[in-house]
Amino acid sequence: DTEVTQTPKHLVMGMTNKKSLKCEQHMGHRAMYWYKQKAKKPPELMFVYSYEKLSINESVPSRFSPECPNSSLLNLHLHALQPEDSALYLCASSQYRDSNTEAFFGQGTRLTVV
Amino acid sequence: SQELEQSPQSLIVQEGKNLTINCTSSKTLYGLYWYKQKYGEGLIFLMMLQKGGEEKSHEKITAKLDEKKQQSSLHITASQPSHAGIYLCGAAMKTSYDKVIFGPGTSLSVIP
Repeated sequence: DTEVTQTPKHLVMGMTNKKSLKCEQHMGHRAMYWYKQKAKKPPELMFVYSYEKLSINESVPSRFSPECPNSSLLNLHLHALQPEDSALYLCASSQYRDSNTEAFFGQGTRLTVV
Repeated sequence: SQELEQSPQSLIVQEGKNLTINCTSSKTLYGLYWYKQKYGEGLIFLMMLQKGGEEKSHEKITAKLDEKKQQSSLHITASQPSHAGIYLCGAAMKTSYDKVIFGPGTSLSVIP
């Protein structure tokens, strides 16, 4: 099983809403990642978790709040987003934080902020 | 400026033709990855290269990493419509080995 599952697939939210994106993997990977991808652009790294601890935050605004409740789950809590935050949000996992191992990506959540 | 560059930006080929996509870095790479993405979907892992001079193949796709570990090429033999998509190279730099950045992507269309 090399699957990373993201839910929901699509999300539309208002600027005053609070919502969460969920990511799950059962490969025993200890590193998990959130990426943001705008249309026709490559994915940009947002956060890296290693052994359930936040190890990299790429200066992401506080309206994005990641959480790793256990080694299989990664959440991204969203609050007071702006329309420019609309994008495809991708979750990925790899065996370790060291890029010696390949990262597997989920199908993404298409987020629209209205 | 981008740390990783890809060429060409887009490519349209006739089914059955061979093609090559290049990925170039101005810095020495710690690891180089190739992914394929269909529009609006997740990334599909293709190959990972780490050693200078390394070459890997999977079905009709071959990827090479040059000796200096600053350039990689992805070669598709006898292209098929199923090869269509966006090809992204991703790399970790020696200065930040745990952070993978992506090139801008190459959009491939294969005409039947």
